[in-house]
Amino acid sequence: QLQLQESGPGLVKPSETLSLTCTVSGDSISSTNYYWGWIRQPPGMGLECIGTIYFSGATYASPSLKSRVTISVDTSKNQFSLRLSSVTAADTAVYYCAKLGGSGKIGWFDPWGQGTLVTVSS
Amino acid sequence: QSVLTQPPSVSAAPGQRVTISCSGSSSNIGNNYVSWYQQLPGTAPKLLIYDNNKRPSGIPDRFSGSKSGTSATLGITGLQTGDEADYYCGTWDSSLSAMVFGGGTKLTVL
Repeated sequence: QLQLQESGPGLVKPSETLSLTCTVSGDSISSTNYYWGWIRQPPGMGLECIGTIYFSGATYASPSLKSRVTISVDTSKNQFSLRLSSVTAADTAVYYCAKLGGSGKIGWFDPWGQGTLVTVSS
Repeated sequence: QSVLTQPPSVSAAPGQRVTISCSGSSSNIGNNYVSWYQQLPGTAPKLLIYDNNKRPSGIPDRFSGSKSGTSATLGITGLQTGDEADYYCGTWDSSLSAMVFGGGTKLTVL
C-alpha cells in the first residue's frame, strides 16, 4: 500500500527558507510513470498546488510561487523535497505531499500524506 | 482568488441529493479531466472522483461526477451526516501549466 509522509520543521522564521521532505513507501518513485506533488492549505482556506516533479527531475510549479520554489527528488532515498524561500506569514499552512495519478503531468492527487503544519513566525 | 469557482457552501437534509458545481474555462476544465476531493474536518483530502466521472475503489456509488463544457458537477445522493465535509474540484490548467483547485465548498447535512 502506497503511503506518503511529510517531515520538516514546524516553525520557520520570516525571510528564511522552508524545507520539507516527503518519504514514499510501498512503491518506488523511479519505477513508476507518475509525478509527485506538493499542495498547501492555509488555516481555514482552500487548497493550492505548489508544484509537481517527475523522478527525472522535470518540474511544474505554480506561477505565483515559481520564483521562490524548488522541488527536487532523491530516488536513492525514495523521497522528494520542497524548498520555499523568503517566507512570510502568508506561507503559514498545512503542507501536503501526494502522488499525481493519471498520464504524466496531468491527473489527480491520490494518495495524500497526512500533512504537516508549518508556521512562519519570529 | 481560485482559478476554479465553487459555491462556498451547500446544504441539504439527510437522505436528500445535493450537487456542487465547479466552473472554469477552456484552459482548464474545458480541455482537461476534473477530479473531486473530500476533506473531512482535521484530515487530509481524499480522492472521490477522477477523470470527470470515475470512482476509485472503495468510493460508494452515491458519489458521481459529470462535466459539460467548462463546468463540472459533483453529485451526492442519500446524504449522510458523515458526508459533512469540504469538497474541492481540481484539474490541469494549460495556460498556467499547473494543477489548480477550486476554492472549496462546505457541505452541511441539516
